[in-house]
Amino acid sequence: EAQVTQNPRYLITVTGKKLTVTCSQNMNHEYMSWYRQDPGLGLRQIYYSMNVEVTDKGDVPEGYKVSRKEKRNFPLILESPSPNQTSLYFCASRVRGFVLYEQYFGPGTRLTVT
Amino acid sequence: AQKITQTQPGMFVQEKEAVTLDCTYDTSDPSYGLFWYKQPSSGEMIFLIYQGSYDQQNATEGRYSLNFQKARKSANLVISASQLGDSAMYFCAMREGLQGAQKLVFGQGTRLTINP
Repeated sequence: EAQVTQNPRYLITVTGKKLTVTCSQNMNHEYMSWYRQDPGLGLRQIYYSMNVEVTDKGDVPEGYKVSRKEKRNFPLILESPSPNQTSLYFCASRVRGFVLYEQYFGPGTRLTVT
Repeated sequence: AQKITQTQPGMFVQEKEAVTLDCTYDTSDPSYGLFWYKQPSSGEMIFLIYQGSYDQQNATEGRYSLNFQKARKSANLVISASQLGDSAMYFCAMREGLQGAQKLVFGQGTRLTINP
């Protein structure tokens, strides 16, 4: 089954404790992205990757890091989480190409930083 | 300026009625795509329908249709014969041409509640 998986699905952590949210897709997609969702703001892109070893900042990259060492994986790293990073996080992937290709979303990771 | 605007934070509709969720967009790129996603209370993002800027006809997918008015820059989602399971958050999103091909820009969302 074609899918994007994220782990963990739920995480409660404390300020400053480094964490990684994993993302993996089995569709051989070139493009992968991370979004965060906050009430009243919709989803905003954090980072994206157009292929292995090619990553770039989205609209809200501060406080986050990513890496793309393999095509299927795109982990999101919070080196020193803060309460303002409490949010719902989505990983997404799609085929490289023009605008019309659907973006596949993971199930989401609900992060709480206390 | 907001690229995608959804002006209805919440809507309440009676079961079996049709409902229109508004979405206006702003872009100067002639090539773009418009998407609607549904987010139920469980949190996942479910793709509903897509409209390309060059598409001549309005997109339809089952009970969903997209009322695309290019000159007015609007892409409203129409759900016919609403069902209780349609209660969810709905997001309009846009991807612009080749320059913006790496991301979707989302509106703030509309929370739809279907009453029995």
